Order: sequence, then C-alpha cells, then structure tokens
Amino acid sequence: GAVVSQHPSWVICKSGTSVKIECRSLDFQATTMFWYRQFPKQSLMLMATSNEGSKATYEQGVEKDKFLINHASLTLSTLTVTSAHPEDSSFYICSARDYRGTGELFFGEGSRLTVL
Amino acid sequence: AQSVTQPDIHITVSEGASLELRCNYSYGATPYLFWYVQSPGQGLQLLLKYFSGDTLVQGIKGFEAEFKRSQSSFNLRKPSVHWSDAAEYFCAVEDGNQFYFGTGTSLTVIP
Repeated sequence: GAVVSQHPSWVICKSGTSVKIECRSLDFQATTMFWYRQFPKQSLMLMATSNEGSKATYEQGVEKDKFLINHASLTLSTLTVTSAHPEDSSFYICSARDYRGTGELFFGEGSRLTVL
Repeated sequence: AQSVTQPDIHITVSEGASLELRCNYSYGATPYLFWYVQSPGQGLQLLLKYFSGDTLVQGIKGFEAEFKRSQSSFNLRKPSVHWSDAAEYFCAVEDGNQFYFGTGTSLTVIP
C-alpha cells in the first residue's frame, strides 16, 4: 500500500529555535496533505490542510505564523514550528490522500517534538 | 458539524477474552467510517473501513466492525484479544473532505 513517511521521528530542541518536520508520500502524488497534533492521551486535532502550490488552510485557533506549512511539490509537505516553546512539545502526524488510487488517507509515523 | 464519540476512555480485558469498542457518530448522510490503532509513540494504522455494502466489515489482526445506521454506530470487535492488541484505538468519520477522530479508547490487556 501507499506509504507516507515523516522525518525526523523525534526531535529535541531548545526554546526559541525553529524545527522543520517533513512529510513525504513515497509512492504516490499528494496534492493535499494534512497536519495533525496529538497531545498525550488525546485524539488527533487537525491543524491545517496543506495544498500543493498554494497556501495552507489553517484550522481555527492554529497560529499560521507559528506553524509554517509549505507544500512545494506533490510528494513533500513541511511543517516548521517557529520560535518553539515548551508548550509546543507534542506529537505531530501528517497524512496524505492517494487520490489516484483508492482515495484512502495514509498516515505518517509521527514526529515527537520536545522543546526544552 | 460532524462528531465522533467513543464513550469508553479506557478498557481492560483479559487475554483471550472478547472485545468490543464503541463508536457513535453524528452525520447527516452515510459517512465513510474507519478504525485506526496506535501503539505508543507510533503513527496510526488502519484496521478496517466502511464505505458501503456489507455492514459487517472484516479488518486486519482479526478485528471486525459492524455499521448500524439506526444506531449511528460502528463498533469494533474481536473475539479473542491478544496481549499485543494493547494500544490506543481511534474511530474516525470522513465526510468526503475531512477526517474527524474520536477521542480514542485505550485498551489494556491483562494476562
């Protein structure tokens, strides 16, 4: 089946620095990718929809200047957490839809961010 | 707005016992329904999905789920639980545009 890969799987950074997380669709083209955030013991909350070649659509309450999303190609979307603070520590998961295949939504393995 | 409810936050079952995880949804039409499993620190793995047709859906790892339109439910079942089934389980609804996840049910399996 289709595979979505995230990198890095975990990252530790200092407060005030920026961190970039990559989401790649390995064997299909994804015009749309989704970024989720998951707090411990909680469900996935949709942060934004990443559209190839255009601006991302952010959910209400998500700071677009804080969480920069770039979808420069059909196989890659990036989430950059700018000026990270400890409260940004979380598990970030991306997903991509294989529109040309079954249309199924495939999820990445997730990236755990810890901000010290 | 669409919503997904998983009434049980945490369930504990003995290994070999049967399992049922509940899921109710709120949606105007027949949605696409999914069950995902998440092991600690991992991403989501699709267990099974319902789009249309037979309301009893078979998935991987011996799981099955039944869509009941009259009850707006899509409960997940397994006849005999294995210790490796301990994980977080999420029910999800897709309305053709977005996914909506339930809050999850944490499953503990005791020997």
